[in-house]
Amino acid sequence: GQSLEQPSEVTAVEGAIVQINCTYQTSGFYGLSWYQQHDGGAPTFLSYNGLDGLEETGRFSSFLSRSDSYGYLLLQELQMKDSASYFCAALISTNKLIFGTGTLLAVQP
Amino acid sequence: ETGVTQSPTHLIKTRGQQVTLRCSSQSGHNTVSWYQQALGQGPQFIFQYYREEENGRGNFPPRFSGLQFPNYSSELNVNALELDDSALYLCASSLTSSQETQYFGPGTRLLVL
Repeated sequence: GQSLEQPSEVTAVEGAIVQINCTYQTSGFYGLSWYQQHDGGAPTFLSYNGLDGLEETGRFSSFLSRSDSYGYLLLQELQMKDSASYFCAALISTNKLIFGTGTLLAVQP
Repeated sequence: ETGVTQSPTHLIKTRGQQVTLRCSSQSGHNTVSWYQQALGQGPQFIFQYYREEENGRGNFPPRFSGLQFPNYSSELNVNALELDDSALYLCASSLTSSQETQYFGPGTRLLVL
């Protein structure tokens, strides 16, 4: 089967750094995406890692290690508006994306 | 540039009925994918349409079907609704059939009673 494991909840304070981990077990793998979703709204694309290593986009960075079947999303300088659910998603074929169960991030003042 | 739009925003149906959900893709995008998101879960891939043809399907029964039109808008049809079909239905468009980067609509929240 296909599965992606993430922590269910993470809490951090404003201005801090938080890392959300994702481990995957899939039958095929092209890369790992990250999406942000506020309270049942539209998921918003954050990043995609097709190769091992770190991708940086502003306050957000994402990392992939194919040998470890592992990735993470790093959020720096946390703001209250970053409180949301974060999903990792594995591209298991060129046209099929499998999502994890999501991590609810609560940013406290 | 217009983003992905979906209609209706909310819908209530009873078990056994049929429902049609609609999605307009982002300008210039020729691919639409549909997802079902149950409460507290991640989105689950239903199927993808690329240039009006189904181009990949997840583990959903045949009563979930779709269409894509020449303007790349799309419909999701669900027949013989079941209580477990209650969920947020999301569509996402992309420039190509590759799902590396997708742009999601706000979703249709379906409640089956």
